[in-house]
Amino acid sequence: QKEVEQNSGPLSVPEGAIASLNCTYSDRGSQSFFWYRQYSGKSPELIMFIYSNGDKEDGRFTAQLNKASQYVSLLIRDSQPSDSATYLCAPKGGGFQKLVFGTGTRLLVSP
Amino acid sequence: GAVVSQHPSWVICKSGTSVKIECRSLDFQATTMFWYRQFPKQSLMLMATSNEGSKATYEQGVEKDKFLINHASLTLSTLTVTSAHPEDSSFYICSARDWGGRDNEQFFGPGTRLTVL
Repeated sequence: QKEVEQNSGPLSVPEGAIASLNCTYSDRGSQSFFWYRQYSGKSPELIMFIYSNGDKEDGRFTAQLNKASQYVSLLIRDSQPSDSATYLCAPKGGGFQKLVFGTGTRLLVSP
Repeated sequence: GAVVSQHPSWVICKSGTSVKIECRSLDFQATTMFWYRQFPKQSLMLMATSNEGSKATYEQGVEKDKFLINHASLTLSTLTVTSAHPEDSSFYICSARDWGGRDNEQFFGPGTRLTVL
């Protein structure tokens, strides 16, 4: 079992719709969870982090965490073509609190 | 947010040569830096964790003698790919942890694209 699992996609949504990105992880010791966005040929940029069960909202983005189910998700409301990118889920854990990245989900938002 | 730079942004070298990549935290002190490698259409793979003033911790399967990491100051870490071969061609990305930031955020450099001929 991979440490972090994400559907590679692509996930296609029309402009203005809600995009739902999901991630499961295997390490129950993970305490913090990060969502990064990566455009093609660029390095990742942080979108959100969450460490408590429940929802956390930041603008058009909502992260949801369920530690019991080892599941974290990212909702993007009012999706825009500029949101088209690969979204990486990364639980944090380990001795150096290192990030473990999933394969990422490619999101395509069509105008 | 905090800024991390990498140099060079891209490099082309001949097989058998060594290449050094620098990673700098510009406006914060980074006691810990991370080096990742990303092949096309794949996720980031952590290569090693670099702590200032101590030896790097390498992930399983990463050859420490081939990928030399030095973290001599709180703002600079270097990765040297020794005796590079075409299979080492990849996108190398560093990140630095801002221990004073929110939830110990990790900021990524812009990456270095290495092509070995």
